[in-house]
Amino acid sequence: QSVLTQPPSVSAAPGQKVTISCSGSSSNIGNNYVSWYQQLPGTAPKLLIYDNNKRPSGIPDRFSGSKSGTSATLGITGLQTGDEADYYCGTWDSSLSAGNVVFGGGTKLTVL
Amino acid sequence: QVQLQESGPGLVKPSQTLSLTCTVSGGSISSGSYYWSWIRQPAGKGLEWIGRIYTSGSTNYNPSLKSRVTISVDTSKNQFSLKLSSVTAADTAVYYCARAEGYSSSSVYDYWGQGTLVTVSS
Repeated sequence: QSVLTQPPSVSAAPGQKVTISCSGSSSNIGNNYVSWYQQLPGTAPKLLIYDNNKRPSGIPDRFSGSKSGTSATLGITGLQTGDEADYYCGTWDSSLSAGNVVFGGGTKLTVL
Repeated sequence: QVQLQESGPGLVKPSQTLSLTCTVSGGSISSGSYYWSWIRQPAGKGLEWIGRIYTSGSTNYNPSLKSRVTISVDTSKNQFSLKLSSVTAADTAVYYCARAEGYSSSSVYDYWGQGTLVTVSS
């Protein structure tokens, strides 16, 4: 059971738009920045979005992030077959004194 | 370009200690402000944060693993290491080392190793 809740799967056709939600609480998303990662099959996760809505160099603007209250959303427009992957949200959780990084359970994106 | 590479045994017996090393190249592990971290992923499952060590040597661990985890750094070799004691089959996973931006609440992992599969079995 992950601290952050994501839908197990989403799907859309090529060229369409999809959003992936990440729900948390005031001890994590509500008071900390959210990051998003893309994991292609058999590879390590790759940073897509950081600080809620910033893209690292080299990440196309088809990928966007937003946060509202205790939830965050990853948006992908102009879907391509190469976007088929697992997507994870991550943030800091301060519910315990020391704090720790937490991730969502992951969302599998299928481009139909 | 920073690169991270995990190394260590791929098979560990139950109740023994899992030991992995991450070698950092393309930059000094002791320069800048970064958290050097371990993250694992059981087959077909999501990511689980294990813990991290700061360039100063301070550490943070996942509360669920804290009693069994030690992360250390060897600046002379530009490496950091993971030790997980009393392993069981539930510790079977791909283990990643990664670098995070160096503010205390950071979850920004910009560089990752390729991952190494560790199987716990007799």
